[in-house]
Amino acid sequence: DVRMTQSPSSLSASVGDRVTITCRASHGITNSLAWYQQKPGKAPNLLLYGASRLESGVPSRFSGSGSGTDFTLTISSLQPEDFATYYCQQYYTTLYTFGQGTKLEIK
Amino acid sequence: EVQLVQSGAEVKKPGDSLRISCKTSGYTFTNFWISWVRQMPGKGLEWMGRIDPSDSYTNNSPSFQGHVTISADRSITTAYLQWSSLGASDTAMYFCGRHSRGSGRIDSWGQGTLVIVSS
Repeated sequence: DVRMTQSPSSLSASVGDRVTITCRASHGITNSLAWYQQKPGKAPNLLLYGASRLESGVPSRFSGSGSGTDFTLTISSLQPEDFATYYCQQYYTTLYTFGQGTKLEIK
Repeated sequence: EVQLVQSGAEVKKPGDSLRISCKTSGYTFTNFWISWVRQMPGKGLEWMGRIDPSDSYTNNSPSFQGHVTISADRSITTAYLQWSSLGASDTAMYFCGRHSRGSGRIDSWGQGTLVIVSS
């Protein structure tokens, strides 16, 4: 299995802040990485795929980068609706795996 | 509009069997894989397995292999997740998700089905 490790596990920030979440794969996965946002009691929502491609309808303040084993999700200016948990997912192998999640909380 | 509508919450006893469903609409069912994802209380997302509805080929995470069965009925565009014998550790929210065509990313999700297993 490809293990996905996110950091930090939790993060406190304020509206307007720029935040970055990191995801590291145990093996190289080229750019086969997606990012999801999940709010309490709701299904996940796809934000980015191919490491850096924005899903239709997702605000441009979300961006992603990386290739191989190291990836980042950046939110350029936090909005109140962005406080949620974020997950990365690799789909390089057909045994997909998620990171453990990063909970973004209001400071 | 793509929609995935899951069956309602279930309360079961250890040892019971269960099948939950994911009814899809708004797209050609056989063209897109469906995955199931578990979320235990207060925990993260775990990919369980997927099915190709065109031929019912499945591949499961080793963590779930042999414990659950994923199936699909093309005639009613519905995918299923099934247990023959539930345990307390199966208490969780279960999500179905549709993959983007030919991709491992999941672009549409069901609302989730809560399964509680308790004696």
